[in-house]
Amino acid sequence: KNEVEQSPQNLTAQEGEFITINCSYSVGISALHWLQQHPGGGIVSLFMLSSGKKKHGRLIATINIQEKHSSLHITASHPRDSAVYICAVGVGGGADGLTFGKGTHLIIQP
Amino acid sequence: DSGVTQTPKHLITATGQRVTLRCSPRSGDLSVYWYQQSLDQGLQFLIQYYNGEERAKGNILERFSAQQFPDLHSELNLSSLELGDSALYFCASTLGVANTGELFFGEGSRLTVL
Repeated sequence: KNEVEQSPQNLTAQEGEFITINCSYSVGISALHWLQQHPGGGIVSLFMLSSGKKKHGRLIATINIQEKHSSLHITASHPRDSAVYICAVGVGGGADGLTFGKGTHLIIQP
Repeated sequence: DSGVTQTPKHLITATGQRVTLRCSPRSGDLSVYWYQQSLDQGLQFLIQYYNGEERAKGNILERFSAQQFPDLHSELNLSSLELGDSALYFCASTLGVANTGELFFGEGSRLTVL
């Protein structure tokens, strides 16, 4: 069974700060997903990674397959980035669903 | 808007009852996943259907069942409800069978069991 650990669990920062959220997993994966969940519950997929690095606007996601570790970075953070960020991993090609981390609750203060 | 539609958005019912949650996937997507999110357990994978067939099973209780219909919408049936079944139930869809594609989530169905 894959264990997914996220850190930190909670993070409060000032607007404009560079944010890093980390995710570690215990077994080999086929894909790693970063998800965003706003208060009210809706979940949005930010990135799907199997190797390397992806960038979308102010968000950057990296993955190191050998170290079983991924990071999500937010540059020039803004209060609208306040949300829960969830890391999820999949193993095999549809062999199962995703295993989720417990999430990082991010608050960006103006 | 993800293109995934879930109904109902909110549901309040009593212990012992049965409810059905419905999910219409994004147009063209063949895979539907069901997830449960509770305060103590976080998000957990329940079950996956691909083009009408069950493909993968997670932590789904025997009291729960699901199916995917020919028009690709899916229903999750929860029976003999217990207080602990109170949670947000999400469905997500993706084009292929693998979990390596981008997932599109519905807004969830919030179930409260009293």
